[in-house]
Amino acid sequence: NAGVTQTPKFQVLKTGQSMTLQCAQDMNHEYMSWYRQDPGMGLRLIHYSVGAGITDQGEVPNGYNVSRSTTEDFPLRLLSAAPSQTSVYFCASSYRATANTEAFFGQGTRLTVV
Amino acid sequence: TQLLEQSPQFLSIQEGENLTVYCNSSSVFSSLQWYRQEPGEGPVLLVTVVTGGEVKKLKRLTFQFGDARKDSSLHITAAQPGDTGLYLCAGAQGAQKLVFGQGTRLTINP
Repeated sequence: NAGVTQTPKFQVLKTGQSMTLQCAQDMNHEYMSWYRQDPGMGLRLIHYSVGAGITDQGEVPNGYNVSRSTTEDFPLRLLSAAPSQTSVYFCASSYRATANTEAFFGQGTRLTVV
Repeated sequence: TQLLEQSPQFLSIQEGENLTVYCNSSSVFSSLQWYRQEPGEGPVLLVTVVTGGEVKKLKRLTFQFGDARKDSSLHITAAQPGDTGLYLCAGAQGAQKLVFGQGTRLTINP
């Protein structure tokens, strides 16, 4: 059972480039979310989805897009990368579409924007 | 401003000592979770507390949820080097958003 898989693990982008961070889960979880982790800031919610076809904004959504066409996949798109988006990005999934249930996290993607 | 404030942010103690990490907020949460994160990995759930005043024990770790459901604490007894890591509290904001504190980086020295 792979759990939550994120790709790539590391990425360097130039300012202005776009890219998609991939996230896939094989646990048939309803709820998926994206966080960014910066030193001294904990994890901040970017976007989340309570099911296929439904997405909503979190705390820091600007500069990021998401879609949820299937239960398994929840890609995060950076439209025009900026140095402020240098961070470690984590995807998470939960069995139910509530924040009270256990969140399972991927191993993260370390993104550097130069 | 963090919705959940953790203290201390850094803690370095000797093996065998006891410690307490705090997670405080001015907001009420329907539940609070504690996660532990190791370098290069995602956070892993330790416990969820739901009822005000609830106390849960996980071996040498004791978790408490405040009576007013605004704060929580994690107490470790006889800390061991294997307890080293980043400890994160997370509160359910509404039904669908999980907000995290900034974390406590704990180092246990042999």
